[in-house]
Amino acid sequence: NAGVTQTPKFQVLKTGQSMTLQCAQDMNHNSMYWYRQDPGMGLRLIYYSASEGTTDKGEVPNGYNVSRLNKREFSLRLESAAPSQTSVYFCASSEAAETKLFFGSGTQLSVL
Amino acid sequence: GQQVMQIPQYQHVQEGEDFTTYCNSSTTLSNIQWYKQRPGGHPVFLIQLVKSGEVKKQKRLTFQFGEAKKNSSLHITATQTTDVGTYFCAEDTTSGTYKYIFGTGTRLKVLA
Repeated sequence: NAGVTQTPKFQVLKTGQSMTLQCAQDMNHNSMYWYRQDPGMGLRLIYYSASEGTTDKGEVPNGYNVSRLNKREFSLRLESAAPSQTSVYFCASSEAAETKLFFGSGTQLSVL
Repeated sequence: GQQVMQIPQYQHVQEGEDFTTYCNSSTTLSNIQWYKQRPGGHPVFLIQLVKSGEVKKQKRLTFQFGEAKKNSSLHITATQTTDVGTYFCAEDTTSGTYKYIFGTGTRLKVLA
C-alpha cells in the first residue's frame, strides 16, 4: 500500500499563478485533510472533508479551494498564488473523526 | 480562538538524558494525539489519549493526559539519536470533530 500520495513534491510559482495540489489515499479512509506547515507555526488546518461529498473550512482557508473528487482523492487549489502561501503542504487521511491521521510526504511550494 | 502552547520550543540533550515536552490548552479537550516528525519528513502518529489522568507507555516514551484534560506531556527516558525530530501534540476540543489543532512543536536534538 502506498498510503497517502501527494503530487507534486516541489513547485515554484510566480505571484498570481494558479495550481492544484493533488492527494490520493488507498486506505479506504472516509476523511481527508489539507494542512500547511510554516517554520515555528506547527501545522495549520486549511480544509477538511469528513466524507465523500462534503468539505469544510479549517483554521486558515482564505486563498484556497478544495475538491473531494471521490473517496480516494482530495485536491487543493490556489487560484492566485501569493508569497504568503509559500509553505510545505501536507495532505492527510483518517478512517473517521477522532482517529489517527496518516500524512503524505508533503509538497514544498514557493511563491515568488 | 483556541491556543495550543507547547514547550519548550527547542531542546538539546546529551544522548542518554531524559526529555519532556508539554502541551497546554486554554480549553478542556476531548482527546489529544501526539505525532513525531523527523527532519525533512512528515508527521507520524504516536498515540492518542482520551481519559482524564490517562498514562500510556511505548518503550521509552511515556504519555500523560492531565486530570482536567487541559494538558498533556511526552517524556522520553534515556534519549537516543533516533529520537531526533519535532514532537507535536494535536488537540481536539469537541467530541466527534475533525478539527485537530496542532501545537507549535518541540524540536529535539540529541547530541551523541
